[in-house]
Amino acid sequence: QLQLQESGPGLVKPSETLSLTCTVSGGSIKRTSHYWGWVRQTPGKGLEWLGSIYLSDYTYYNPSLRSRITMSVDTSKNQFFLNLSTVAAADAAVYYCAKHMWLRNYFDYWGPGIPVAISS
Amino acid sequence: QSVLTQPPSVSAASGQKVTISCAGSNSNIGFNSVSWYQQFPGTAPKLLIYENSLRPSGIPDRFSGSKSGTSATLDITGLQNGDEADYYCETRDESLSSVVFGGGTKVTVL
Repeated sequence: QLQLQESGPGLVKPSETLSLTCTVSGGSIKRTSHYWGWVRQTPGKGLEWLGSIYLSDYTYYNPSLRSRITMSVDTSKNQFFLNLSTVAAADAAVYYCAKHMWLRNYFDYWGPGIPVAISS
Repeated sequence: QSVLTQPPSVSAASGQKVTISCAGSNSNIGFNSVSWYQQFPGTAPKLLIYENSLRPSGIPDRFSGSKSGTSATLDITGLQNGDEADYYCETRDESLSSVVFGGGTKVTVL
């Protein structure tokens, strides 16, 4: 059974970079056609897709975040990563990593989520 | 304001049926398949329906999805107390070049 687990700081200072890791277990991150994505949730904006990545070959980012977001993959550790720069209060959210069947358009496995606060 | 419009809440008595709508446009639902997710407070969303009407293994057939034109629908029949949750639709929007979610619908069992 595939499992995903987010990790990273729960508190980030304004204007700094939010860095999160998603560790995948129970399956290989290198599997063909499996993308890996990040989704965040705030009470005000609901669920928001941030971006998805396939190995290190293809990345798709939410256009509203394109200037601030970077995603990467470490296949040797079966992990993928989110970096969101110049964070502000509006970036406070629960961040989820998920397996994204990009071509078939659904997220079928999710991590439990990690709450991230933005404060000095 | 979400690109996909869902009613904020729906309710029905135990054993009855609820229908949750998800209204979009030609650039999203009209062009791509729709997925539905169930979310309980404090937990991650769970895939309920994918490719408009398919259920992952383990999802009861009380949950069914459909799509027509630029709208999609999630039906829950034989409503149970355990179905009280938030439900979200999701698809891709070609104009926005983005994956988009509906604003969510809270299901209440009366």
